[in-house]
Amino acid sequence: EIVMTQSPATLSVSPGERATLSCRASQSVSSKLAWYQQKPGQAPRLLIYDASTRATGVPARFSGSGSGTEFILTISSLQSEDFAVYYCQQYNNWYTFGQGTKLEIK
Amino acid sequence: QVQLVESGGGVVQPGTSLRLSCEVSGVGFSGYEMYWVRQAPGKGLGWVAVISYDENHKYYADSVKGRFTISRDTSKNTLYLQMNSLRTEDTALYYCTKKGSSGSYFDSWGPGTLVTVSS
Repeated sequence: EIVMTQSPATLSVSPGERATLSCRASQSVSSKLAWYQQKPGQAPRLLIYDASTRATGVPARFSGSGSGTEFILTISSLQSEDFAVYYCQQYNNWYTFGQGTKLEIK
Repeated sequence: QVQLVESGGGVVQPGTSLRLSCEVSGVGFSGYEMYWVRQAPGKGLGWVAVISYDENHKYYADSVKGRFTISRDTSKNTLYLQMNSLRTEDTALYYCTKKGSSGSYFDSWGPGTLVTVSS
């Protein structure tokens, strides 16, 4: 099983600042990597797929990069609605999720 | 606009069974691979089962293999998850999800249905 490791577990950032979230795969997943946002009491929402393609309706301040085993989700200027938990997921070999990064207001 | 709505969750005792349903609207249900994903309280996400668009292929996470069965009824636009021999560790919010257009990521999610296994 491919293990996905996200860091940090919790990230404290001020509104308007940039946030950088990391996701590492235990073996190469090529570019088959998605990012999701989950707010309390809600289902996850797809943000990014194929490592860098924004899903429909996702603001341009969200961007994804990376390939192989190292991936980054960047939120360029944090808005109040962006504070949530973020998960990465690989779909190159079955489907596994990272443990999540909680993005909180500093 | 795709809509997925799960139902069938509840509180059950270990060793018993439960069937979850997911009604899909707003998309050609018969053309998509569908999944169940679960989330234990306060925990992360985990894939449970997948079914091909034609129901010919079904795969399961090791933790549920032999106990859970995924199926679909195209005439009713509904996805199912039959859960037998339930264990306390199956307690979770169960989400119905749909495969994305270019890969096996999950581009649409229902609100989830809660399954609690407790004696």
